Amino acid sequence: GAGVSQSPRYKVAKRGQDVALRCDPISGHVSLFWYQQALGQGPEFLTYFQNEAQLDKSGLPSDRFFAERPEGSVSTLKIQRTQQEDSAVYLCASSPRQGWNSPLHFGNGTRLTVT
Amino acid sequence: DQQVKQNSPSLSVQEGRISILNCDYTNSMFDYFLWYKKYPAEGPTFLISISSIKDKNEDGRFTVFLNKSAKHLSLHIVPSQPGDSAVYFCAARRGSGNTPLVFGKGTRLSVIA
Repeated sequence: GAGVSQSPRYKVAKRGQDVALRCDPISGHVSLFWYQQALGQGPEFLTYFQNEAQLDKSGLPSDRFFAERPEGSVSTLKIQRTQQEDSAVYLCASSPRQGWNSPLHFGNGTRLTVT
Repeated sequence: DQQVKQNSPSLSVQEGRISILNCDYTNSMFDYFLWYKKYPAEGPTFLISISSIKDKNEDGRFTVFLNKSAKHLSLHIVPSQPGDSAVYFCAARRGSGNTPLVFGKGTRLSVIA
């Protein structure tokens, strides 16, 4: 399909495990965003890439969270030593222009459950 | 501190009637507002937006109204249809587009046939 693709759809991790979440943005989209959505809450910003450059990581909650987009296309969000409070849906979005000047196209998310 | 507030967690409306979803914001620097719609197990999809230089934007059955002095916006859906049943998120950003989009907690709309 032509949309934003995220994998896996569901991930269960034991506390202390490392996880990696993948995002395939829409082809040609310059900007890529990661959001975290806890149960009953709205999406909260984590980090933003313009091509391969991570221009804003102000929303990452701790140094256990790391994101990369080495070739300016696929992105990976890595969470080290997962904690129960990391349980959430992680949403990836992309947009064709730089910055926040066009509506974001979201993927279906990865639901992470830390037990 | 929540900068974008959707104070009604849920709303039920009969099919054919008007649905009005409300959103308040606290940051007076916000100048662009969007509404997203989300079905279960899917990501949010963009619905409609409005710039702070306008007070109304209309797209088919969907109209967004902005009251800058009250820091309030609303989404009107008329007539409401069962397929409109979803969670609606209000979002806002400020400046030239280099700051993150901030979302509210969402309002779950149920349109009853």
